[in-house]
Amino acid sequence: QVQLVQSGAEVKKPGASVKVSCKASGYTFTSYGISWVRQAPGQGLEWMGWISAYNGNTNYAQKLQGRVTMTTDTSTSTAYMDLRSLRSDDTAVYYCARGTNFGPVDYWGQGTLVTVSS
Amino acid sequence: QSVLTQPPSVSGAPGQRVTISCTGSSSNIGAGYDVHWYQQLPGTAPKLLIYGISNRPSGVPDRFSGSKSGTSASLAITGLQAEDEAAYYCQSYDDSLNGVVFGGGTKLTVL
Repeated sequence: QVQLVQSGAEVKKPGASVKVSCKASGYTFTSYGISWVRQAPGQGLEWMGWISAYNGNTNYAQKLQGRVTMTTDTSTSTAYMDLRSLRSDDTAVYYCARGTNFGPVDYWGQGTLVTVSS
Repeated sequence: QSVLTQPPSVSGAPGQRVTISCTGSSSNIGAGYDVHWYQQLPGTAPKLLIYGISNRPSGVPDRFSGSKSGTSASLAITGLQAEDEAAYYCQSYDDSLNGVVFGGGTKLTVL
């Protein structure tokens, strides 16, 4: 069965960086892309961007351009999301999810809580 | 302020029918992009409920249905059950932002 397993919770100071991993199994990794979506405490879903696991093409949310980098490692079927210059309002649960650039995401990781606090 | 507008909350009694609206614009829903819906139970990751406006993934009951008209879309839930109590989000793509957009979410309360 399709599974996306994310790395564990992180606590970071303002200005630091965080890298969240998302290991896929149960399907051909390069046949789909990975979207990253975050959810601040008590808030709604915010799309961060998408990466093609086939060729590495990316599409980032305008709001995060310059601070976020998404990569994949096809040898381990793992996707990564790197967010730099962290601020307190980056505190959120970060989800990876399988899907296409325009379309729906059909499988989600369990979420990774990133807390930014001094 | 979300690009796609949803009511913050809706409610209904068990067995009733409720609808959740998702209002967009000419740069997203009105531009012909598909609308997808997700259900998020408390403390869990979202789950795909409806894709491509009105299609249900395997395992989603036919009590859930989606539709679209112009720059808006709707999710209808019939025969409300206690386990339907959750947050619901619509999603589409926006030309102006060149990216995916979500609605702000609607909390469904089953009375």
